[in-house]
This record gives sequence, C-alpha cells and structure tokens, in this order.
Amino acid sequence: GENVEQHPSTLSVQEGDSAVIKCTYSDSASNYFPWYKQELGKGPQLIIDIRSNVGEKKDQRIAVTLNKTAKHFSLHITETQPEDSAVYFCAASRAAGNKLTFGGGTRVLVKP
Amino acid sequence: DTAVSQTPKYLVTQMGNDKSIKCEQNLGHDTMYWYKQDSKKFLKIMFSYNNKELIINETVPNRFSPKSPDKAHLNLHINSLELGDSAVYFCASSQGVEETQYFGPGTRLLVL
Repeated sequence: GENVEQHPSTLSVQEGDSAVIKCTYSDSASNYFPWYKQELGKGPQLIIDIRSNVGEKKDQRIAVTLNKTAKHFSLHITETQPEDSAVYFCAASRAAGNKLTFGGGTRVLVKP
Repeated sequence: DTAVSQTPKYLVTQMGNDKSIKCEQNLGHDTMYWYKQDSKKFLKIMFSYNNKELIINETVPNRFSPKSPDKAHLNLHINSLELGDSAVYFCASSQGVEETQYFGPGTRLLVL
C-alpha cells in the first residue's frame, strides 16, 4: 500500500519568512496530492491540491510542487503570518475521493 | 451553514460500553468517509461509502460498524469500547471518488 513520509515534524519560522514542508510517497500510481491545514480543535481543511498532470500550482501565498519521477511533493508558504500556525498534512491517493494516505503532519509555528 | 457536521463533539465513556457517532453532510455529496486520528495526530482512513455502499474497509476491528441510512449520513457504531479506541474521529465527504474530501470538525472520544 501507499506510504507517505512528511518532514519536518515541527517547523518554527519568523513572521514574514517562508516555510517549506516536504513529502515523499511510495505508490507510483498515486496521482492526487492534497494539503490540509488543521487548527487546534478543528478538522483538517483543504488548502491546496495538485494532480499528477501538473508540476506546480499556486494560490496566493501558498504553492505546491510535484516531482513524479522522484515521488515527492512540497508545500511552500511565503510571507508567513501568525494565523498560518497550525498542523499541516500532506496526503496521496490514486484519486481524489479514493483512500487518502496521510503524512505524519508538520506543526508550524509562526513567531511574531 | 455547516457543510459536514458530527455529533457529539465530545464523548467520554467507560470501557466495554457501546456508543455511536453521527455524521451528516449538506453538500449533496455521494461519498462519505470515517478517519481516525490518534494521539500523535496520525490520520488513517477507516471506511468509505459511495451511494450508501461500502467501498473502503481498512483493517478495522469488527467492533466498528458504519451505517449509511442515506447519502447524506454516515454513522459509526462502536461496540465493547476499549482504551485504545480513544482518539478523534473525523467524518469527510466528497462528490464521487474523483473529487476533494471535506472534513467535519471531529468527535473526541475518550474511553476510561
């Protein structure tokens, strides 16, 4: 089955700096890669996703890159703000609504 | 206008009891899921239903029985609760198996 590794497990950045989270996956048939943000006491919220026919996708301060050959994808947050502090999860699946396999999560702390 | 809702939000019970968690979505989706998040924040899928039919059943003890009375509801019944069942349970939904999954706020289950 699919295995998703996520690094780092914790990330502390100064407000205004960039944050990068990296994930690797094992199943070459995976073609959907979402990123979720989970705030304390809440459910995961989708922030961006990418499918295997695209190498990069951007939405304001958030971008995701995908390297299918190397089987890794990354989340980039620029100009971080205190409200970006949360746990971020990457995931992979063969289809969007199929079984999502999650990485272990990255706790991001943005220091004012 | 909650999209995916779960009840109860918190559930504290004794070992050996039977309990149910309810999930409802008003997004018009036809696919629903149950995920378990353990104390280390690791998220893992348990079940998935599409049009009231079970399509994903991970290696979950048969003490856990999902029930989907209609496309908008997916309930989770747990028999003979054990200490290790303590976790946060998330319901999610999507339109078909090709679209994004949206998560509910979670049910925090504590078994004493």
